Amino acid sequence: SAVISQKPSRDICQRGTSLTIQCQVDSQVTMMFWYRQQPGQSLTLIATANQGSEATYESGFVIDKFPISRPNLTFSTLTVSNMSPEDSSIYLCSVKEQGASEQFFGPGTRLTVL
Amino acid sequence: AQSVTQLDSHVSVSEGTPVLLRCNYSSSYSPSLFWYVQHPNKGLQLLLKYTSAATLVKGINGFEAEFKKSETSFHLTKPSAHMSDAAEYFCVVSDVQGFGNEKLTFGTGTRLTIIP
Repeated sequence: SAVISQKPSRDICQRGTSLTIQCQVDSQVTMMFWYRQQPGQSLTLIATANQGSEATYESGFVIDKFPISRPNLTFSTLTVSNMSPEDSSIYLCSVKEQGASEQFFGPGTRLTVL
Repeated sequence: AQSVTQLDSHVSVSEGTPVLLRCNYSSSYSPSLFWYVQHPNKGLQLLLKYTSAATLVKGINGFEAEFKKSETSFHLTKPSAHMSDAAEYFCVVSDVQGFGNEKLTFGTGTRLTIIP
């Protein structure tokens, strides 16, 4: 399976600021996704990162709050904009190969907003 | 629409005894089903997957799960628990296998505690 890294691994931010999270894969992958895991809860899909076009967002998530880029088949970024304490979560990227059913996850970015 | 229900939020077993983590699913199509494990402060690791082949699926670390369509269940089992099995376990469903809607729907998780 692909090796996935995320930067930063954790961060503490002030409310009103923005943080960009990077996801790097060691091989080209067809699909990349971004998830949020709020404290003590399960994972919720934020969006599918589409290479060369706008991301596809799930209900409840908007591009102004969570802009996503995917300039190539191995890299994606998620920005958490104008942060509030409610954005404190673990953010995870995942990848999936065409024809495969499973997704593989990065180690996550633990974000705390004060 | 697809959904997953993990019937127990917390399971405690003694080391060396069997583990049973229960999962029921709802899906409009033939589902793919997965179990992922999350150790404290770690990412998610795929334990096993079901994708319409054999109904008894073997995974890593001695875990296995049985797909029962009549019961819409996909329970995770292990014959003998080890201390290193202590973690959060997520049952996950995907409606379409490998193409089309790729969305994974996660259960709420079951925290497994191993008693020495």
